[in-house]
Amino acid sequence: QVQLVESGGGVVQPGKSLRLSCAASGFAFSTYAIHWVRQAPGKGPEWVAVISFDGNTQYYADSVKGRFAISRDNSKNTLYLQMNSLRTEDTAVYYCARGWEMAFEIWGQGTMVAVSS
Amino acid sequence: QSALTQPASVSGSPGQSITISCAGTSSDIGNFDFVSWYQQHPGQAPKLLIYDVKYRPSGVSTRFSGSKSGNTASLSLSGLQAEDEADYYCCSLTSTSTRYVFGTGTKVTVL
Repeated sequence: QVQLVESGGGVVQPGKSLRLSCAASGFAFSTYAIHWVRQAPGKGPEWVAVISFDGNTQYYADSVKGRFAISRDNSKNTLYLQMNSLRTEDTAVYYCARGWEMAFEIWGQGTMVAVSS
Repeated sequence: QSALTQPASVSGSPGQSITISCAGTSSDIGNFDFVSWYQQHPGQAPKLLIYDVKYRPSGVSTRFSGSKSGNTASLSLSGLQAEDEADYYCCSLTSTSTRYVFGTGTKVTVL
């Protein structure tokens, strides 16, 4: 069964850091690009970042560039998102999603990040 | 990069057909055939319905279809059913540094 499971969310103060994880199972993780997509409460999804299948290429949304870093460990079938200098506007449910044909084919259940003082 | 523009709500009776529009620009929808559509029920993750403008992933009902004309994409849903009541989002690849842009979302109500 193809599955993505996010973890690591929580409540954090502005300016602090948090690292999210996304554990993959049921497919050849090392052959797919993987994305992070977030969704603020009551809002539509917002693309955050993508990493190539081999981890050599990353792209970021302007809103997180320089603050967030996407990485992966193919030996552990795990994706990461290191989030630094967090802002209140980063509050959202964060999803990892398997990339396919320039779309987001399989989504995890999401992990909530709340940035608040 | 501004969000793609969708109608806030669309409604229809069971069995009817509806269409959701998604307006973009020449930097996104008008420049790429990489439009995708997602269905999201409350409290759940989005689900891919359409990719590359008009193709359905395996397992997605044939009642869903996609198209594009110029800078606007559309999702059509035929034979409306109660289970189709959800939020729908379009998404496109863009030529800007933020590589993907989503739509504002459309709430579909089955009357």
